[in-house]
Amino acid sequence: AQSVTQPDIHITVSEGASLELRCNYSYGATPYLFWYVQSPGQGLQLLLKYFSGDTLVQGIKGFEAEFKRSQSSFNLRKPSVHWSDAAEYFCAVGAGYKLSFGAGTTVTVRA
Amino acid sequence: NAGVTQTPKFRVLKTGQSMTLLCAQDMNHEYMYWYRQDPGMGLRLIHYSVGEGTTAKGEVPDGYNVSRLKKQNFLLGLESAAPSQTSVYFCASGNGGTGELFFGEGSRLTVL
Repeated sequence: AQSVTQPDIHITVSEGASLELRCNYSYGATPYLFWYVQSPGQGLQLLLKYFSGDTLVQGIKGFEAEFKRSQSSFNLRKPSVHWSDAAEYFCAVGAGYKLSFGAGTTVTVRA
Repeated sequence: NAGVTQTPKFRVLKTGQSMTLLCAQDMNHEYMYWYRQDPGMGLRLIHYSVGEGTTAKGEVPDGYNVSRLKKQNFLLGLESAAPSQTSVYFCASGNGGTGELFFGEGSRLTVL
């Protein structure tokens, strides 16, 4: 069965500092991996996705993620955080038409 | 440029009442989904549909029913609401294959 673990429930980061969110997955084959962001009161928006090829993928809003098969990880990074990045972030794994989501990581940005 | 639209956005029910959440998408997607979001649990799949006239159970289907009579609409019904169904419900649609989903803004349901 597929599953996703996001070890960090809540992260606080200063504006301008770097951010890394962890994601570990369990999947029986080559996974499709996703990061979604949810701003308060909004639905989820796709940040980036990995299907195959280059293991470092670029997304919107200056985010990137690296797929490491040996570690079953797909960590999300941003070099310099902006106050507008305060949100909840979800990692997801799946294939075909079914995704499994992690529990989410809430990011707070302090001035 | 509507994307995925959910109605209503907020609803308060008493235990035992029934209601229907409506999801409409204008992207001609084959696949549609209903998730519920609860604190610390992420999103859990309730039911999904891979095309008009089809439905299937997800992880947490008990207490819910769905229908997909038209390709663009996916309805989620609660026949007899329970406090455990207090949650935020999200509808999503996609093309399948790559699994990328497009989400509505959510419907917050409170069952007293």
